Amino acid sequence: GAGVSQSPSNKVTEKGKDVELRCDPISGHTALYWYRQSLGQGLEFLIYFQGNSAPDKSGLPSDRFSAERTGGSVSTLTIQRTQQEDSAVYLCASSLGGFVARLGYTFGSGTRLTVV
Amino acid sequence: DAKTTQPNSMESNEEEPVHLPCNHSTISGTDYIHWYRQLPSQGPEYVIHGLTSNVNNRMASLAIAEDRKSSTLILHRATLRDAAVYYCILRVAGGSEKLVFGKGTKLTVNP
Repeated sequence: GAGVSQSPSNKVTEKGKDVELRCDPISGHTALYWYRQSLGQGLEFLIYFQGNSAPDKSGLPSDRFSAERTGGSVSTLTIQRTQQEDSAVYLCASSLGGFVARLGYTFGSGTRLTVV
Repeated sequence: DAKTTQPNSMESNEEEPVHLPCNHSTISGTDYIHWYRQLPSQGPEYVIHGLTSNVNNRMASLAIAEDRKSSTLILHRATLRDAAVYYCILRVAGGSEKLVFGKGTKLTVNP
């Protein structure tokens, strides 16, 4: 597609429920990143996928968070047993593959998750 | 990751130039300087990047100091749509793939 697409755009869930957030990267972009942004805060890195390499999961805050990327394209971020502190905007970005310091990211508009 | 320092906030008037500074005194020779901006309720948007020479594109200009320890993002004529948080980030060649975002500079544009 023309840009990075995320769904849903908004999600309200009850504490303790599981949620799945979806990201469709730009076609041909082999690198995909998840960030989250709590209200009034900066962006916090969560996880990074590059081609068939093992993902960099160093930013996942707990084992309730997991992500997968199927077929090198669409990615799903799953949060199990959601807590109120998980409320944030979850942002996905993609870029052309490989580590090239001059390349920029393209971000989606995010999924606003509210845990009540 | 190499660290950058930006003012928390700046103000400008519409149709005037804006110079957004960034200090990166620990930059190494192969680190690229990237700028992103985040408009309200949107994801960050790539603005510009550079290595050593000044750069221009349709959105902005990037002026890089000769010693590369600082840079300035220049918006030639600010519009109300330029009100955003501007992030200056170093992409470390050979380092971690992930971009590390700081707090950025919140730019307010007055009509």
